[in-house]
Amino acid sequence: EAGVVQSPRYKIIEKKQPVAFWCNPISGHNTLYWYRQNLGQGPELLIRYENEEAVDDSQLPKDRFSAERLKGVDSTLKIQPAELGDSAVYLCASSLARDSPLHFGNGTRLTVT
Amino acid sequence: GDSVTQMEGPVTLSEEAFLTINCTYTATGYPSLFWYVQYPGEGLQLLLKATKADDKGSNKGFEATYRKETTSFHLEKGSVQVSDSAVYFCALTSFGNEKLTFGTGTRLTIIP
Repeated sequence: EAGVVQSPRYKIIEKKQPVAFWCNPISGHNTLYWYRQNLGQGPELLIRYENEEAVDDSQLPKDRFSAERLKGVDSTLKIQPAELGDSAVYLCASSLARDSPLHFGNGTRLTVT
Repeated sequence: GDSVTQMEGPVTLSEEAFLTINCTYTATGYPSLFWYVQYPGEGLQLLLKATKADDKGSNKGFEATYRKETTSFHLEKGSVQVSDSAVYFCALTSFGNEKLTFGTGTRLTIIP
């Protein structure tokens, strides 16, 4: 089966600019996650979707971050405006159901200068 | 809150050496425990898991036993190969909370 697809793979932007990341989960996976991984750290959850509903966005910095999952399939994560501290790898993952294993994409490495 | 503490790296071993990467956790209730692996240039992959006390997860020669009394889930392999070079993450989910909580990761390098 095709895995979780993320794009772009790398992104370099100047601070205060907007940026968007895209994720295509594994077909049929209802649950979608966005994680952020800072250098030398483990991933931390930003938001979790069940179909098109965001069921856990408690860790999402809502002043500058937004996410959507139209039609319960693809998802985008946006940052506007970006700050230097947003430099990290942004990971998307999907799972068949709530208690199923997560499948991760390769991530988008964001560098904010 | 939930937390995972992992053995700090990096860890460098010779091929065929015995591997242990320590992992301890703090969680409410009875969590499920996982080891994820990230090979160079690839995404995180589930390596093994255990969902209740005394369960042993195993895959690709790796093993980890869920020890409730010591709140540990140490990863072991009897004879490592160069292809095992990767970053290893210990993680957990608590009952009723699907959020994976990760440790900081341990970079393992195996030299021929």
